Amino acid sequence: NAGVMQNPRHLVRRRGQEARLRCSPVKGHSHVYWYRQLPEEGLKFMVYLQKENIIDESGMPKERFSAEFPKEGPSILRIQQVVRGDSAAYFCASSRDGNEKLFFGSGTQLSVL
Amino acid sequence: AQKVTQAQTEISVVEKEDVTLDCVYETRDTTYYLFWYKQPPSGELVFLIRRNSFDEQNEISGRYSWNFQKSTSSFNFTITASQVVDSAVYFCALSFNDYKLSFGAGTTVTVRA
Repeated sequence: NAGVMQNPRHLVRRRGQEARLRCSPVKGHSHVYWYRQLPEEGLKFMVYLQKENIIDESGMPKERFSAEFPKEGPSILRIQQVVRGDSAAYFCASSRDGNEKLFFGSGTQLSVL
Repeated sequence: AQKVTQAQTEISVVEKEDVTLDCVYETRDTTYYLFWYKQPPSGELVFLIRRNSFDEQNEISGRYSWNFQKSTSSFNFTITASQVVDSAVYFCALSFNDYKLSFGAGTTVTVRA
């Protein structure tokens, strides 16, 4: 069984561009979570989504960041008008329901030039 | 607020040595969960263990063991007879639910042959 798949593994953007990060959860999982890891720091929770719904976005920056998990297709984390401070590793996790352990992907390393 | 401190940034050992990773946490919640994850060079986070705050029994799984001490707010992790494949970054995490984890900064373990 495939685990959580994230792509791309590495993404380079120039300041002001948009970044789109994709996450395909484990087959059968309908809960998706996004975390961000800044350099020299631990992972920090950003958002929790269930199919077509945002359950908890308390960790999302108020501007430029958005996330979706449509009925069909992967979850997308979108960062508009990226700045250098957005450079980080973005991890996606999934679970079958909201009370089970999280399975994490390998992350997308975003570099903003 | 929840906080996890992993004071050891890097640990280097020779194969077959034991290695203990420290984790100290802060929380005001009476019910909480503690986790350890392993991040090998491939990048994905691998779940190792989840304990709830009411279960202070130590746990052993093969060469891995965990010592949970509520009195000192610590949840330490020991690898016995380390192997090269144990080389990874290890994260301790704390949560009041199953998805909003607060991670420590991680400890990089290098096991030399």
